[in-house]
Amino acid sequence: GESVGLHLPTLSVQEGDNSIINCAYSNSASDYFIWYKQESGKGPQFIIDIRSNMDKRQGQRVTVLLNKTVKHLSLQIAATQPGDSAVYFCAENYGQNFVFGPGTRLSVLP
Amino acid sequence: EAQVTQNPRYLITVTGKKLTVTCSQNMNHEYMSWYRQDPGLGLRQIYYSMNVEVTDKGDVPEGYKVSRKEKRNFPLILESPSPNQTSLYFCASSFHGGATEAFFGQGTRLTVV
Repeated sequence: GESVGLHLPTLSVQEGDNSIINCAYSNSASDYFIWYKQESGKGPQFIIDIRSNMDKRQGQRVTVLLNKTVKHLSLQIAATQPGDSAVYFCAENYGQNFVFGPGTRLSVLP
Repeated sequence: EAQVTQNPRYLITVTGKKLTVTCSQNMNHEYMSWYRQDPGLGLRQIYYSMNVEVTDKGDVPEGYKVSRKEKRNFPLILESPSPNQTSLYFCASSFHGGATEAFFGQGTRLTVV
């Protein structure tokens, strides 16, 4: 597969545990945020998004928390499964475009 | 199926030989963009387009060209590729730029020797 993040921070969790992946964003004017999942050899896939008028949004097994005061975003994955192993990165909008975080590699241990 | 399609998936070429990477989306999105992804540097924007015939430079446009003659297509052109353009390239599209989610293609692994 593609080696997209040789120097990424890695989070290792036991299968069945909850995972928390963090992201610090830079622009206080950003009002839309997205979490993406990138599996080896594939393009980034949308997981969940949140707008700045919210501080929490839940999806299926995933929750995104937004703390605008400290410009922090987190992704919580409940009951982590082997299929969750991937690189996760956040994106903040910046004018017409997005700025992407460096990513975190999630490794799920059996 | 809604998708962004890039071709080719893999390409090895020699320095100076012009090449084009195609990108097509079937979602009627106005916004399209090209990124390169390098280890330790994350996704960096090369060029983007807000609509037909409207293109703008991203963060790393040097050595690249794009065109947007039709809404669905956004090819990336390397007129004279160099080894420092060896990278993993992604095309993405969305309805309205930074206001809606971006859909990504599967990527093109380019090696310039």
